[in-house]
Amino acid sequence: NAGVTQTPKFQVLKTGQSMTLQCAQDMNHNSMYWYRQDPGMGLRLIYYSASEGTTDKGEVPNGYNVSRLNKREFSLRLESAAPSQTSVYFCASSEGRAVEKLFFGSGTQLSVL
Amino acid sequence: AQRVTQPEKLLSVFKGAPVELKCNYSYSGSPELFWYVQYSRQRLQLLLRHISRESIKGFTADLNKGETSFHLKKPFAQEEDSAMYYCALSDNNFNKFYFGSGTKLNVKP
Repeated sequence: NAGVTQTPKFQVLKTGQSMTLQCAQDMNHNSMYWYRQDPGMGLRLIYYSASEGTTDKGEVPNGYNVSRLNKREFSLRLESAAPSQTSVYFCASSEGRAVEKLFFGSGTQLSVL
Repeated sequence: AQRVTQPEKLLSVFKGAPVELKCNYSYSGSPELFWYVQYSRQRLQLLLRHISRESIKGFTADLNKGETSFHLKKPFAQEEDSAMYYCALSDNNFNKFYFGSGTKLNVKP
C-alpha cells in the first residue's frame, strides 16, 4: 500500500530554472496539499485542492503553481526557482473533512543555488 | 487569521521524566486540533487528534478553550519519543490545516 508518493526525493536547481514536483495518492482521497518545511518555521501551506478540479492558495503561494490533474495526482510547479525556495516539500492528502487526518509523502529536498 | 504557536523549539528531558509540549492557537470558531510527529527518517504522521480523545504511546492532549491551548503530555518520557512534534489546527470552513513551528523533543538516557 503506497499511500502518498512524491517524486523526486532530491533536486538541485540553479536560480531561474523550472521544475515540477509530482505527487500521487492511492487512497481515493478528495483533498490534497502541498507544504514546505523550513527550520524554525514549521510546515507552511503552499496550495491545496479540496476536491478534484479545485485548487486554492495557502499561506505562501507566491512563486508556485499547482495542477490537480485528476483525483490521484497533484503537482507543484516552480516556474523560476529562487534561493528562497530551498526547502523540504511535502505532499499530503486527506479524505476531505476537517476532522480527518493528513497522510504525508516522504518529502522532496530541494536546493536552489 | 488562524495561527498555531509552539513556543519551544527544543525540549530536552531525561528518560522517565514528565514531558509537556506546549501549543496555543488562535481561531475564530470551534477548532479541530491535532498533534503530528516526525521520527528520524520517517514520514510525518498523526500522533493524536482532539476529537478522538485518545491516548497514543502514552501521550495525551487536552483542549482548553479558555486558554486556547492543546498541550501534549506524557508522564514518563522514553528515548524512543525523541522526535519532532507539530501541533496542527484544521479550518472547518475550508478544510485547510495549519501547523506550528514544531518542537524537537530530545529524551536523554
